[in-house]
Amino acid sequence: DGGITQSPKYLFRKEGQNVTLSCEQNLNHDAMYWYRQDPGQGLRLIYYSQIVNDFQKGDIAEGYSVSREKKESFPLTVTSAQKNPTAFYLCASSIVPGPNEQFFGPGTRLTVL
Amino acid sequence: AQKVTQAQTEISVVEKEDVTLDCVYETRDTTYYLFWYKQPPSGELVFLIRRNSFDEQNEISGRYSWNFQKSTSSFNFTITASQVVDSAVYFCALMELGGNKLVFGAGTILRVKS
Repeated sequence: DGGITQSPKYLFRKEGQNVTLSCEQNLNHDAMYWYRQDPGQGLRLIYYSQIVNDFQKGDIAEGYSVSREKKESFPLTVTSAQKNPTAFYLCASSIVPGPNEQFFGPGTRLTVL
Repeated sequence: AQKVTQAQTEISVVEKEDVTLDCVYETRDTTYYLFWYKQPPSGELVFLIRRNSFDEQNEISGRYSWNFQKSTSSFNFTITASQVVDSAVYFCALMELGGNKLVFGAGTILRVKS
């Protein structure tokens, strides 16, 4: 089955530690995205990538970093510089960049203790 | 600047009632795209519809229908004869032509009680 996988589903980390969230897709999509969701708020874009080896900052990139070394993978690192990292993180992809349907993964809930 | 407003934070209905979720958007572009997504308790967003700014025809898909009105910058979503399985958070989103960013509203929590 084609789709997007995110792991782990739940993640706990101590304050001050970096943590990397995994996102893999087997849809052969060019574009991939990371969103953050907080209670009562819509999704906010952290980073996106239009093609391998390329990525751009979204609205709330501070304290996060990404890489896109392979078409199918777009990991997100939450660094210690992110002041309030506890949130639900969603990865998405679309066949090409632009106003196309984005397919979402199941999300990772990160809790920083 | 792009903005999407979903003024209804939470709606509760009894099964078989019709319910309308409101979405109002702001954009300076003449060409743009509007989306609705459903987020069930599992957390994964599910695409429901995409509509471009030049197509003002209403859309119906089973129990779902969408009313797009450019004059009021609204793209409302109606569920007819609601069911418990419709309980979810529903998001309206906007993307401008040439942009790569989906701007989401805050979402509306829909609770359908049996």
